[in-house]
Amino acid sequence: QLQLQESHPGLVKPSETLSLTCTVSSASISSVDYYWGWIRQPPGKGLEWIGSFYYSGKTYNNPSLKSRGTISGDTSKNQFSLKLTSVTPADTAVYYCARHPTYSNEFDYWGQGTLVTVSS
Amino acid sequence: QSALTQPASVSGSPGQSITISCTGTSSDISGYNYVSWYQQHPGKAPKLLIYEVTNRPSGVSNRFSGSKSGKTASLTISGLQAEDEADYYCSSYKTSNTWVFGGGTKVTVL
Repeated sequence: QLQLQESHPGLVKPSETLSLTCTVSSASISSVDYYWGWIRQPPGKGLEWIGSFYYSGKTYNNPSLKSRGTISGDTSKNQFSLKLTSVTPADTAVYYCARHPTYSNEFDYWGQGTLVTVSS
Repeated sequence: QSALTQPASVSGSPGQSITISCTGTSSDISGYNYVSWYQQHPGKAPKLLIYEVTNRPSGVSNRFSGSKSGKTASLTISGLQAEDEADYYCSSYKTSNTWVFGGGTKVTVL
């Protein structure tokens, strides 16, 4: 059964860089059929797509993050990652990684999510 | 990037049917048949209910159904049950390889 597992950075200080990794089991991030994405959810609020990685190295980002987010993949480890720079308390959220097929675009498998708190 | 518009809350009695709307633009909902719906219980990850506007993944109850007309997609829950009390989110593919979610709808079973 496909599983996605986010890393747990926990607490990040304002102005620093938030780094997250998603480890994928029972599927390959090198598959031509899938994107691998990051979604976040601030406490008590809705879901926001952050960005996605494709096996070719192409990445897609939410314009609202103003280029603060960088997504990359490591096919040798079957992992993909998110780096979010210059964080503020507004970046406090549960961060999810998820898979979405290129041919149908839904987010079909999700990680359990990890809470990242931005605070000094 | 603007979120899709959903009502903040919808309620119904057990056994009733309710419908949640999701309004977008020509760049997302009306431009593509890539609308999906998710159910989220407190403290849990979202669960896929509907994809490509009307399709249900294996294992999802046929009490959940999706549709679309113009810039508005809808999720209908028939035979409402206590376990359906949760938050529901729509999502759509958007022009230029981006994706957008709705603001979420809290469903209350009275």
